[in-house]
Amino acid sequence: DAMVIQNPRYQVTQFGKPVTLSCSQTLNHNVMYWYQQKSSQAPKLLFHYYDKDFNNEADTPDNFQSRRPNTSFCFLDIRSPGLGDAAMYLCATSRMGYEQFFGPGTRLTVL
Amino acid sequence: AQKITQTQPGMFVQEKEAVTLDCTYDTSDPSYGLFWYKQPSSGEMIFLIYQGSYDQQNATEGRYSLNFQKARKSANLVISASQLGDSAMYFCAMREVTEKLVFGKGTKLTVNP
Repeated sequence: DAMVIQNPRYQVTQFGKPVTLSCSQTLNHNVMYWYQQKSSQAPKLLFHYYDKDFNNEADTPDNFQSRRPNTSFCFLDIRSPGLGDAAMYLCATSRMGYEQFFGPGTRLTVL
Repeated sequence: AQKITQTQPGMFVQEKEAVTLDCTYDTSDPSYGLFWYKQPSSGEMIFLIYQGSYDQQNATEGRYSLNFQKARKSANLVISASQLGDSAMYFCAMREVTEKLVFGKGTKLTVNP
């Protein structure tokens, strides 16, 4: 089945230790998104890509970076995680003009 | 200003009954799309239903229907014949000119047996 896959599902890191979250898709969608969702809140868009064109939200901290080496894969790098970065990170994909399909999310814990 | 407003933090419904989850939106763009997503406790966001601003008829998908009132800028989700598995967070979202979605704060639905 075509899908959006996120690895790992659960990630524990230490304060200040870099971490990378990954997302892959078999849907061949040209748009990919990263969202941060804190407990009891709505998802907040961090970045999105139209193909390889990177779009950063104005309020996304510099601590967050992203890479999309090809259509199928997208990575979220958190250079120096703080306690406030503990959240669910959701990856989504879409074709232009259509609904977004979400992966299962990676729940990040920062110790 | 909030673009998507969901005024019901929590809703309760008896199994097999219908429930309406409210959503109002604010935009000056004539072309936009409205979406509803379900998020169970596992965390995955599940797409339920879509309504385009130019669509003449209300969208329906199985037990889900969207009550679209353009003049009132509302896009309420109606779930008919509620099931225990419908217990989840429900998010209303809007897409304007860009591909970005703006989400409401969500409504937590609890279905009682």
